[in-house]
Amino acid sequence: DQQVKQNSPSLSVQEGRISILNCDYTNSMFDYFLWYKKYPAEGPTFLISISSIKDKNEDGRFTVFLNKSAKHLSLHIVPSQPGDSAVYFCAASAAISGNKLVFGAGTILRVKS
Amino acid sequence: SQTIHQWPATLVQPVGSPLSLECTVEGTSNPNLYWYRQAAGRGLQLLFYSVGIGQISSEVPQNLSASRPQDRQFILSSKKLLLSDSGFYLCAWVGLAGVNEQFFGPGTRLTVL
Repeated sequence: DQQVKQNSPSLSVQEGRISILNCDYTNSMFDYFLWYKKYPAEGPTFLISISSIKDKNEDGRFTVFLNKSAKHLSLHIVPSQPGDSAVYFCAASAAISGNKLVFGAGTILRVKS
Repeated sequence: SQTIHQWPATLVQPVGSPLSLECTVEGTSNPNLYWYRQAAGRGLQLLFYSVGIGQISSEVPQNLSASRPQDRQFILSSKKLLLSDSGFYLCAWVGLAGVNEQFFGPGTRLTVL
């Protein structure tokens, strides 16, 4: 049972435009959400996170939105740059489960110049 | 600053051979440590986690085992590799209680032939 789902395997965006990566979850106990970026043959790099008590968190070009009622979060990248091309993983954790991360399958983002 | 090391970076092993992957963390003490596997085209699956020396929790039944002989050392092992053990193995750590963000090492690409 996939508790964290990234339904778009890939996304292609023009440089300078907005990239929107989506993530859905099923476990209502999740209370913390994270986005990671991964290049081939490297470990994932932490990007941005959000607690369930918030609905938005912003860090430079990256903004994460959380809709608890829809069990949905999204990562917005504005403006998109070619260096943003990578695999993006959504992850969720629940304090009751010891904060272990549950990852989605990832979305490949390609930013075209 | 904290750093995390994994070795080897790549490994090609025959079916039935043993395995030992090592992960070490510098610049922190008593971290929570994690082993993940990313199979081709899949997300990250948590295999083991450890909250202290000698304390190992297994998330999925499998052909692998983990050990934590020292505070900042985490080892992933197998007595006899299977073809299905191929994948990208990642070690991660969390240094502070109550912090959800995990930081990943560079990973080991294991190919079992």
